[in-house]
Amino acid sequence: KQEVTQIPAALSVPEGENLVLNCSFTDSAIYNLQWFRQDPGKGLTSLLLIQSSQREQTSGRLNASLDKSSGRSTLYIAASQPGDSATYLCALETSGSRLTFGEGTQLTVNP
Amino acid sequence: DTAVSQTPKYLVTQMGNDKSIKCEQNLGHDTMYWYKQDSKKFLKIMFSYNNKELIINETVPNRFSPKSPDKAHLNLHINSLELGDSAVYFCASSFSGGAPTDTQYFGPGTRLTVL
Repeated sequence: KQEVTQIPAALSVPEGENLVLNCSFTDSAIYNLQWFRQDPGKGLTSLLLIQSSQREQTSGRLNASLDKSSGRSTLYIAASQPGDSATYLCALETSGSRLTFGEGTQLTVNP
Repeated sequence: DTAVSQTPKYLVTQMGNDKSIKCEQNLGHDTMYWYKQDSKKFLKIMFSYNNKELIINETVPNRFSPKSPDKAHLNLHINSLELGDSAVYFCASSFSGGAPTDTQYFGPGTRLTVL
């Protein structure tokens, strides 16, 4: 059974700082790994999707990496902004379009 | 032009009642999902339907019954509501086929409070 862990549970940083969010998983038999963003009272927005055969994906100030051998992924956010404040969720897709989520990292970027 | 919509956004009801949450997607997807996010913010899949057929059922109590009248709709009916059913319920949709690039699109959520 896939288990997904995200560290830290909460993170508070000053504006402009670079930061890394961590995700670890127990089963490397995945289709892809995704990072989502959840704003309070809102749904989830997909940020980056890394296919099983890929090592990383980039979108603007975001870079996500995937290391299946060690069961780890990181989400790197460069030059953080107050608008980046949200909960970031890591999710792994296995067979049958099944997504298993971590518990999330609540990020606060202070102006 | 909302991609995945849910109604209602908030639902407050008494224990023992029966309630329904509706979900619609206009993305042309063939697979829809229901997720439950509990008070600890942990998001867990409940059901998945592909072309109106159930493909994932994650040991959810029988009081929960999803219904998919067509590919664009997946409703969730809950009988005999209990306190522990209080949570935020998210609907999502995607294309099936196991393509590794297919992400799921989420609705805004329905916050259910059982008193």
